[in-house]
Amino acid sequence: GEDVEQSLFLSVREGDSSVINCTYTDSSSTYLYWYKQEPGAGLQLLTYIFSNMDMKQDQRLTVLLNKKDKHLSLRIADTQTGDSAIYFCAESTYSGAGSYQLTFGKGTKLSVIP
Amino acid sequence: DVKVTQSSRYLVKRTGEKVFLECVQDMDHENMFWYRQDPGLGLRLIYFSYDVKMKEKGDIPEGYSVSREKKERFSLILESASTNQTSMYLCASSFESSSWGAWPQHFGDGTRLSIL
Repeated sequence: GEDVEQSLFLSVREGDSSVINCTYTDSSSTYLYWYKQEPGAGLQLLTYIFSNMDMKQDQRLTVLLNKKDKHLSLRIADTQTGDSAIYFCAESTYSGAGSYQLTFGKGTKLSVIP
Repeated sequence: DVKVTQSSRYLVKRTGEKVFLECVQDMDHENMFWYRQDPGLGLRLIYFSYDVKMKEKGDIPEGYSVSREKKERFSLILESASTNQTSMYLCASSFESSSWGAWPQHFGDGTRLSIL
């Protein structure tokens, strides 16, 4: 079955860049998503990338996609303490009868050290 | 902006009670989802719905049921609550998937449910 893998923890110093990595298994995934979850809150859609793109940049966020290796990464430039959260990678997977669902990784907890 | 509203942020119930968790979305989304989130296990899909009065089992439907009488509202029901259902419950909604894949899901703030 489809699976999305992420490392569970990442710790960086304030001002450094953070890179959160994700591998997925469904080679036919068309959209891949990054979500952020702050403590006690729901998931917030951060950004997404279409599978025909290699890179997408949005202010401090850069998403890189390597389709050959089924590897997705999220880079946060100039990481701030407010970026401390859990980050989830998700892929669009076929669930049958012409429908798609999102399959989520277990999330990477980013801790930013002041 | 999409708004997904869950009726309670925190809820405490007793074992054996029937528990209702409510979710409302204001974007006319066809799809609605219920997940539970537990440390180390990530998000697990309980049930989802593609249309009014339609429901589909997710990965962990046992002990739960759902109701979707109106397009904007999706309810999760714990028929007889047990302590192992203590968890964070997240509701989400999205447009129906197209031929190329799934639209992003938009989440509510979650309900932290404790069963004593």
